[in-house]
Amino acid sequence: EVQLVESGGGLVQPGRSLKLSCLASGFTFSNYGMNWIRQAPGKGLEWVASISSSSSYIYYADTVKGRFTISRDNAKNTLYLQMTSLRSEDTALYYCARRAGLLGYFDYWGQGVMVTVSS
Amino acid sequence: DTVLTQSPALAVSPGERVTISCRASESVSTGMHWYQQKPGQQPKLLIYGASNLESGVPARFSGSGSGTDFTLTIDPVEADDTATYFCQQSWNDDTFGAGTKLELK
Repeated sequence: EVQLVESGGGLVQPGRSLKLSCLASGFTFSNYGMNWIRQAPGKGLEWVASISSSSSYIYYADTVKGRFTISRDNAKNTLYLQMTSLRSEDTALYYCARRAGLLGYFDYWGQGVMVTVSS
Repeated sequence: DTVLTQSPALAVSPGERVTISCRASESVSTGMHWYQQKPGQQPKLLIYGASNLESGVPARFSGSGSGTDFTLTIDPVEADDTATYFCQQSWNDDTFGAGTKLELK
């Protein structure tokens, strides 16, 4: 069974940093591109960042470019999101999601981890 | 960015047929996918590539369209289908629609 379990969220002050993790199981992690997608409270979904299976290709949304860094450790089956210079508008539930198929849809999602940026 | 426009909310009775639309600001070919999100849960993939039913998803769900206009159809609607439905395009980077909240009368 495919499982994605996020961790590392919490309450953080504006301007500070936080690192999220996503532990994958039930599939060959190194074969799939992975993503972070967030959802502000009561709002829609926003794609944040993508990383290819071997980390060769990395992309970011303009809203986080230069502040967030996506990475992965295939030996540990773990996806990361290093978030720096956090802003109140980064407050959201952060999901990790597996990208599948040539069209790149998200076929499995974690339960999400909450990040709250507030003083 | 490719903007996806969805109607905000719909209300239907169980047993009826409902169509949820998603319009893209530019062509996304068949790079359109649909997700269902129930309160307190993560999104669940329903349809990928505009019209392909994800494994395990009931055949009551179907998708159609290409280019800029897409539709998710549920026929017949069941009480358990109360949820918000999001479209997502992966043709031009990744963007999501704002979601359509489906309520049952």
